[in-house]
Amino acid sequence: AQRVTQPEKLLSVFKGAPVELKCNYSYSGSPELFWYVQYSRQRLQLLLRHISRESIKGFTADLNKGETSFHLKKPFAQEEDSAMYYCALSGRGAQKLVFGQGTRLTINP
Amino acid sequence: DTGVSQNPRHKITKRGQNVTFRCDPISEHNRLYWYRQTLGQGPEFLTYFQNEAQLEKSRLLSDRFSAERPKGSFSTLEIQRTEQGDSAMYLCASSRPFGTDRNGVREQYFGPGTRLTVT
Repeated sequence: AQRVTQPEKLLSVFKGAPVELKCNYSYSGSPELFWYVQYSRQRLQLLLRHISRESIKGFTADLNKGETSFHLKKPFAQEEDSAMYYCALSGRGAQKLVFGQGTRLTINP
Repeated sequence: DTGVSQNPRHKITKRGQNVTFRCDPISEHNRLYWYRQTLGQGPEFLTYFQNEAQLEKSRLLSDRFSAERPKGSFSTLEIQRTEQGDSAMYLCASSRPFGTDRNGVREQYFGPGTRLTVT
């Protein structure tokens, strides 16, 4: 079964502090993992994908197949990072996305 | 704005009525997806099209739900005999043909959603 778990519904950190949003997945195969973000009053948009190994807006995420995790990290949080973050997976070649419940990140000044 | 558009943005209907939503994808995108999102949850996959062909349907898509994409462009999602449990945000997304995305991964571009309230 395909499943994505984001254990924290809410996460609050101070500006300048490190941020880590947790994501664990269950998938029998080689999934593709993504982080999507939804800022206030905006549509859902892709933040980053594991296959690209890129850093977007200072965020990075490493796929750990042994721990089946894809945690999102940023060393120094900024107020504009406040948003809803969703971890998602799809099977290779498959196209539907399976989303986690989401984590609402709040950056306090 | 050349992004995915959805209409209407909000719909309030009485239980038992039929509703229809429309999604216009980004013009060069051949894949179109429907998701449903209830309060406090992430989006859940409903169905997707490649051009005009409906290739996969979720078990969430009961007999009361039907989706079409008649000419491979816009899509409609109809819910018949609405129930209060149908109240949700209905999201549409589209993606490019395979092989045209970076790293071969099809990024899905989401619309703003249609919020349905069934009273």
